[in-house]
Amino acid sequence: GNSVTQMEGPVTLSEEAFLTINCTYTATGYPSLFWYVQYPGEGLQLLLKATKADDKGSNKGFEATYRKETTSFHLEKGSVQVSDSAVYFCALNSNTGNQFYFGTGTSLTVIP
Amino acid sequence: GAGVSQTPSNKVTEKGKYVELRCDPISGHTALYWYRQSLGQGPEFLIYFQGTGAADDSGLPNDRFFAVRPEGSVSTLKIQRTERGDSAVYLCASSLAGSAGELFFGEGSRLTVL
Repeated sequence: GNSVTQMEGPVTLSEEAFLTINCTYTATGYPSLFWYVQYPGEGLQLLLKATKADDKGSNKGFEATYRKETTSFHLEKGSVQVSDSAVYFCALNSNTGNQFYFGTGTSLTVIP
Repeated sequence: GAGVSQTPSNKVTEKGKYVELRCDPISGHTALYWYRQSLGQGPEFLIYFQGTGAADDSGLPNDRFFAVRPEGSVSTLKIQRTERGDSAVYLCASSLAGSAGELFFGEGSRLTVL
């Protein structure tokens, strides 16, 4: 079956610290992988995506590389800001159906 | 507006009552999804529409839940005989493509069943 497992939070970091949020997946076929972000009081929005193995998605200083050999899609940012405080969701689409499967979310708080 | 619109944003009801939640997707998006999000959890798939038809309703938890999209645009999620366990945020998302396309989410409808 299809599923996503992501690092549990909450995560608290100081401004300018390095961020990693781990995400691994199980999927049939060749999925597309996504990170969605939910800022306080807002709906989920796409942060970045990768559609095939070895692709790197990037946006707003965040990066994630689609690693087929380790079935992972870890989210990284070199220097977080207070404005990055949000809940981050890893997700996949199996491309054989139309469901998106989401992880449980990781809450990030960045303190000045 | 340009985004996905969901109404009501908050709904409080009593156990046993009937509830309707509405979603107005982005114009031109043929794919529409309903998800349910409980506190501390990720979105849980309920149903997916491609056009007017429900292409996948495997996530609906039981026959108290039903959704329609009669004209291929606005969708209504209907919950009969609500139970306290139905309390959650119900999310709607739309997409240009049914597979691997970016999902655009509304802000959700928070349902509380007393």
